[in-house]
Amino acid sequence: DIVMTQSPDSLAVSLGERATINCKSSQSVLYSSNDKNYLAWYQQKPGQPPKLLIYWASTRESGVPDRFSGSGSGTDFTLTITSLQAEDVAVYYCQQYYGTPLTFGGGTKVEIK
Amino acid sequence: EVQLVESGGGLVQPGRSLTLSCTASGFTFGDYAMSWVRQAPGKGLEWVGFIRRKGYGATADYAASVKGRFTISRDDSKNIAYLQMNSLKTEDTAVYYCTRLQAWQNPYYFDYWGQGTLVTVSS
Repeated sequence: DIVMTQSPDSLAVSLGERATINCKSSQSVLYSSNDKNYLAWYQQKPGQPPKLLIYWASTRESGVPDRFSGSGSGTDFTLTITSLQAEDVAVYYCQQYYGTPLTFGGGTKVEIK
Repeated sequence: EVQLVESGGGLVQPGRSLTLSCTASGFTFGDYAMSWVRQAPGKGLEWVGFIRRKGYGATADYAASVKGRFTISRDDSKNIAYLQMNSLKTEDTAVYYCTRLQAWQNPYYFDYWGQGTLVTVSS
């Protein structure tokens, strides 16, 4: 199984500042034949189901604000929230779909400082 | 608007069975794979399994933790996906989310999620 490790477990960021969340996979999720990274990011606000933010490591889902961006390749990935807003308080998860079982990172809780 | 509505959750004793339903609307159900993801209280997300669309045989794959005990099926005429859970264990206690899955032969990412239904396994 591909193990997904997120860091940090939690972070507190001031409103308007940048939040950076890291995700590392135990093996590469880059498929060489199409040069795509099989990685997605989700946001889960308190009491709500997760919401898809990013897929193919850097493609923003329709309707997701452009302050959210994904980057990285191979085994190391980053979700960046530029200019954190109050409504961005949530737990963020990465997920690999390079192989089954589909696996998630443990989550990173983002709070306002 | 895509909607996924789970039902069937509740309190069940260890060793018993329970079936969850997911009623979909707002998209052509038969064109999509469907999946179940669960979240134990206060914990992270765990993929349970998925079922391919009919064009890929409507076959299902499962996480090791539920394989042989859980069965995912679908009724495209009713726009419903099911999760039949047998031999339930206390560690199956979780909110169960129905998700629409972007997939071809293999599963990719979950683009829509239901609100979830709580399953509590306890004596």
